[in-house]
Amino acid sequence: DAGVIQSPRHEVTEMGQEVTLRCKPISGHDYLFWYRQTMMRGLELLIYFNNNVPIDDSGMPEDRFSAKMPNASFSTLKIQPSEPRDSAVYFCASSHPGSFRNTIYFGEGSWLTVV
Amino acid sequence: GESVGLHLPTLSVQEGDNSIINCAYSNSASDYFIWYKQESGKGPQFIIDIRSNMDKRQGQRVTVLLNKTVKHLSLQIAATQPGDSAVYFCAETRAYSGGGADGLTFGKGTHLIIQP
Repeated sequence: DAGVIQSPRHEVTEMGQEVTLRCKPISGHDYLFWYRQTMMRGLELLIYFNNNVPIDDSGMPEDRFSAKMPNASFSTLKIQPSEPRDSAVYFCASSHPGSFRNTIYFGEGSWLTVV
Repeated sequence: GESVGLHLPTLSVQEGDNSIINCAYSNSASDYFIWYKQESGKGPQFIIDIRSNMDKRQGQRVTVLLNKTVKHLSLQIAATQPGDSAVYFCAETRAYSGGGADGLTFGKGTHLIIQP
């Protein structure tokens, strides 16, 4: 399996621009998570989906952030407009809960710099 | 002045020695715990997990210990190698019977440095 695939791996954008991060979960996984990692706050859960439906978006910082999952193999995290404080590594992760087990597999991350 | 940024605890060990990384979790309702390893420039990678009905689980060169009484988790790495250098995170969640779970809550991480 190719694992969780994210794009772009690196993005530098100017403040005010729209940023779209993309994720392809592991085939067959029905949970998808978006995390953000910064030095100040560590790894934070932003939102997660089950069977393409958003379950908990309480971690989304503000209305500038939105996430969609139009089908089982694709999700986007959008920031509009972007701000310098959004600079972070954004990880997508997926899981397929078995019997009382929920190992979450992470992608390599999208490194975002907003200048 | 006040430091800015997240200063991770650091554990420095000699190559070949055993390492013990500790983690205190916060949610008494958590019943599933995972250790992740994150190498520089990469995403967290699953190492080993443990359910709350167990207090010890062993993998290849790694052992996880769980003490629910004091909400403490530890990761033991035997005979550490240079490739073990990374940041190690513990994570907790609640796993619902029949599948499904909340997202993981991560600890702050420990930076393991292997000295030659």
